[in-house]
Amino acid sequence: DSGVTQTPKHLITATGQRVTLRCSPRSGDLSVYWYQQSLDQGLQFLIQYYNGEERAKGNILERFSAQQFPDLHSELNLSSLELGDSALYFCASSTSRDRGYNEQFFGPGTRLTVL
Amino acid sequence: KNEVEQSPQNLTAQEGEFITINCSYSVGISALHWLQQHPGGGIVSLFMLSSGKKKHGRLIATINIQEKHSSLHITASHPRDSAVYICASIIQGAQKLVFGQGTRLTINP
Repeated sequence: DSGVTQTPKHLITATGQRVTLRCSPRSGDLSVYWYQQSLDQGLQFLIQYYNGEERAKGNILERFSAQQFPDLHSELNLSSLELGDSALYFCASSTSRDRGYNEQFFGPGTRLTVL
Repeated sequence: KNEVEQSPQNLTAQEGEFITINCSYSVGISALHWLQQHPGGGIVSLFMLSSGKKKHGRLIATINIQEKHSSLHITASHPRDSAVYICASIIQGAQKLVFGQGTRLTINP
């Protein structure tokens, strides 16, 4: 158990809908990262938040957005869903207390199926 | 071309064999992760290293910064080692991970 929690574990929805995925980082971790793992693209970095502020952005679609709240949990919002958005969505957390890279710890993932 | 390349993509071996998975990257990195993903989907961080060698139980990870290459070794492999192993580089000056495509390892009893 990494200490990172994600809800829900599974989500089935229809095209055009909007969903919210939630992540709680390990106690004391300030950074949250979101990743997408699809069958054809593999694992891809979406976005990073540090202590409530966006720090780095990857291959995140405009239909997707994220935020990190004062209690450090994060939400990933996916809207106007398409079939191709079906994937495993992972969040990870790290301390990021210094300028160097800190090891990331992954949550169990949310499996999103868009029908 | 992917910035991080792994080989082989698939590997099947018999229980007890010594396993090597390779990872090459094309840009300067500050560190490299080895991750394990089981069939259920969960990802576990095995190692993070920026130089030399690390060992944890039957797992050994090495990295050669000059050659931009890392290897993950498993000694005395066991069916429970069957999983997808993913290397991920941390680009210098960035916090994000860039992932290899993964190596699917199957260990037969």
